Amino acid sequence: TQLLEQSPQFLSIQEGENLTVYCNSSSVFSSLQWYRQEPGEGPVLLVTVVTGGEVKKLKRLTFQFGDARKDSSLHITAAQPGDTGLYLCAGAGIGSGNTGKLIFGQGTTLQVKP
Amino acid sequence: ETGVTQSPTHLIKTRGQQVTLRCSSQSGHNTVSWYQQALGQGPQFIFQYYREEENGRGNFPPRFSGLQFPNYSSELNVNALELDDSALYLCASSLDSGNSPLHFGNGTRLTVT
Repeated sequence: TQLLEQSPQFLSIQEGENLTVYCNSSSVFSSLQWYRQEPGEGPVLLVTVVTGGEVKKLKRLTFQFGDARKDSSLHITAAQPGDTGLYLCAGAGIGSGNTGKLIFGQGTTLQVKP
Repeated sequence: ETGVTQSPTHLIKTRGQQVTLRCSSQSGHNTVSWYQQALGQGPQFIFQYYREEENGRGNFPPRFSGLQFPNYSSELNVNALELDDSALYLCASSLDSGNSPLHFGNGTRLTVT
C-alpha cells in the first residue's frame, strides 16, 4: 500500500516568516502534485513535479521533488495571510493499476497571522 | 469555460438510506474521478470513470458505485449509508485517464445521522 505522510500537520506562523512542508513516502511515484484547499472549496492544483531532483518556483513558493521520487517539499518565503489554507501533496502511482489514482497526504493546515 | 460543478452542496441522510451525488465535468474533459475527504484528512480515491467505464477503484466496498454518462457527467451512489460515510465527496475531471491534472469541484458535504 502506497502512503504519503505530510509534516507538520498544523502550522501557525506570523506574516513574513518562512516555512517548509514535507511530504514523505517509502514508495516511488511517477509524479507529485501539490494542491491548496480553502474551506468549502475543492483542492486547487499548484504544481506538478515529475523528474527526480526537479525544483519549481511559483512566486514565493518553491517545490522540490526528491532525487528518488519518494518525497517532496514545499517552501514558502515571507508568508502572507493569503497563504492560509490546507496544503495537500498527492502522488501518482507507477503502473497501470494506479493510472489516474492519486494518493493524498493528510494535509498541512497553515495559518498565517497578520 | 465552465468548471466542475457538483450537486447538491450539502445533504443530510439517515443511516441505512441511499444517496446519489452528481457531478458535471469541465468542458472537454472525458474522465471523472471521485474522492472521499473525511474531516481533517486528505482525499481518498474512490473510483474513476473514463468514457463511461470504470477505470480503477480504491479501497471502498461495493455499496459505493458510480456511473458516467455520454456527456461525461457522473453520479456517485452510496447504498446502506453508515455513520462513517459522513464526509466531503469531491469530484474531479481531467483531460484523460492518465496523470493529467485534476480539476476539482467544491464537493458535496454528506452528513449521515
